[in-house]
Order: sequence, then structure tokens, then C-alpha cells
Amino acid sequence: AQSVTQPDIHITVSEGASLELRCNYSYGATPYLFWYVQSPGQGLQLLLKYFSGDTLVQGIKGFEAEFKRSQSSFNLRKPSVHWSDAAEYFCAVGGSGGSYIPTFGRGTSLIVHP
Amino acid sequence: KAGVTQTPRYLIKTRGQQVTLSCSPISGHRSVSWYQQTPGQGLQFLFEYFSETQRNKGNFPGRFSGRQFSNSRSEMNVSTLELGDSALYLCASSFGLILRDNEQFFGPGTRLTVL
Repeated sequence: AQSVTQPDIHITVSEGASLELRCNYSYGATPYLFWYVQSPGQGLQLLLKYFSGDTLVQGIKGFEAEFKRSQSSFNLRKPSVHWSDAAEYFCAVGGSGGSYIPTFGRGTSLIVHP
Repeated sequence: KAGVTQTPRYLIKTRGQQVTLSCSPISGHRSVSWYQQTPGQGLQFLFEYFSETQRNKGNFPGRFSGRQFSNSRSEMNVSTLELGDSALYLCASSFGLILRDNEQFFGPGTRLTVL
């Protein structure tokens, strides 16, 4: 069965600093990987997704993620964090058994200090 | 273009009652999925409806059910509520079935509290 681990429950960064959120997945074949963001009182918004091809994926809001098969990882990065990036971030994996229904990680809460 | 709307946004019920949540998808979207989000279990898939038929189902008891209408609007029903059903229920819509090229768009959720 597919699964996702986000090892960091909370991450605190200063505004303007770089960011990396970790995501590790467990999956037998080539996974379909996603990063979503959830702001307070709002639903999830897709930041980026990886299905195949170039392992460095560009998303919205200046985010990017890199798929590393050897490490079973799909870490999310941003070179310079803005206060508005404070939110909950979810990594998800799909594709097991032909189903694209995502299995979500537990999320990482990003806190941005001014 | 209006996003996914969910009503009500907040709901308080007592154990044993039943509840119905509503979701209106983005215009033109035919697939509606439901997710439960709790601090303990995280985000879990409940079911997906497409063309008024349930196409996929997660691992939830039969107390959780849903339906979809001809205009693609969907309702989710939970009967005999338990304390553990307290959660944020998210609805997501997509143009077609949850496939690799069909992005899901999420609504703001309905916060259900069971007392």
C-alpha cells in the first residue's frame, strides 16, 4: 500500500529565508506525487505535481519540488519565504493499483517569523 | 469562475443524530470527492461520485454515504453520529474522474462538531 511520511510537524523560518519541507513516500512503482497547501479556513490548493519526466517540478507561488527515486523523497523548496506562505503543507502520493486517489501525509505546519 | 462551495460551513450535532453536508462543484466539473480531515487520522478519502454514481470508496463504515445529483451537486450523509466523526469535511471537484490529468479543486470545508 502507498504511504507518505512528512517527518516535520512544524517548521519555523524567518521571512526571506529559504525553505525545504520533507516528504518521503512508500510505493512500489513510479508514484504520482503532489504537494498541496491549506491556509486557515480554506481548502487545499495544489502547488505542484509529478507524474513523470523532469524530476525537478516547478509549481505556483514560487515553489518547486524534486523527485528523488533513490531516496523515495519529494521535498518541497522555496528560495525566499514570504509571510503569506504560513500555512499547512501536505504531500500526497497516488497511483497504486491504477488508482489516482491521493494518500496524504500528516502535514507540516509552516510558521514564518517577520 | 466560482470555486467549490460547501454548506454549511459549521455544524454542531449530538451523538446519535444524523447530518447532511452539501457541496456544489465548479461549473462544468462532473466529479465530486469527499475527504475527512482530523488531527488524529489526517486527510482521508471517503468517496468519489461521477455522473451520479459512486465510483470509488474509501475505508469508512456504512454510516457514511453520499449521492450526486444530475447537476453534479453532491451531498454527504453521516448517520448515527459518533464523537469521532468530529472533523473538517472537504469536498473536491474535478472535470473527470480522479486521474492523473484531472486536477482536484477543494472547497473550504464543513467543520462538524459532535457533542
